[in-house]
Amino acid sequence: DAKTTQPNSMESNEEEPVHLPCNHSTISGTDYIHWYRQLPSQGPEYVIHGLTSNVNNRMASLAIAEDRKSSTLILHRATLRDAAVHYCIPLLYNQGGKLIFGQGTELSVKP
Amino acid sequence: DGGITQSPKYLFRKEGQNVTLSCEQNLNHDAMYWYRQDPGQGLRLIYYSQIVNDFQKGDIAEGYSVSREKKESFPLTVTSAQKNPTAFYLCASSILASGELFFGEGSRLTVL
Repeated sequence: DAKTTQPNSMESNEEEPVHLPCNHSTISGTDYIHWYRQLPSQGPEYVIHGLTSNVNNRMASLAIAEDRKSSTLILHRATLRDAAVHYCIPLLYNQGGKLIFGQGTELSVKP
Repeated sequence: DGGITQSPKYLFRKEGQNVTLSCEQNLNHDAMYWYRQDPGQGLRLIYYSQIVNDFQKGDIAEGYSVSREKKESFPLTVTSAQKNPTAFYLCASSILASGELFFGEGSRLTVL
């Protein structure tokens, strides 16, 4: 199975950009990278996903390295709602698309 | 509104009792999943189902059982064989292999 490595925790100030890194050096060429976030006592929420190109949506941007061994979730202006655990997850295409969650990065946002 | 509903939200049971957690979705999704989360930890996959009447074990299936008799329903039974059942249980559904999971609000099981 593809493994991911994320920092255990990060801090940010409100209204400032945040770059959350993820290493996934063992993913295959068909594995999409998905990001989810989880607020305390809630189920995870889908944020964004991508394969090779950088992706943008209303929640965030995803920058994927050219060699696909790493990616970065970019929150352009951190809000207090972004204070959550952020998970970087490869979608294992050859295993029916199941998602295996790792430990994630706990992001703290200071007002 | 479409969504995924788990019940009950909180459940207390005595050791040795079987417990069934309900998960219903009206999103017409083919795939459904059950995850377990312990305090300060990530989610671990218990079981998943890609189609009615079929399901596969995840990483921690021992002590759990599931059924998928209807597309919209995927109940999880925590049996007495599960050694440490106290945890937060999350159900999710998705369009098959899309990777975009929709989660329920979770069921918090405490075994006394």
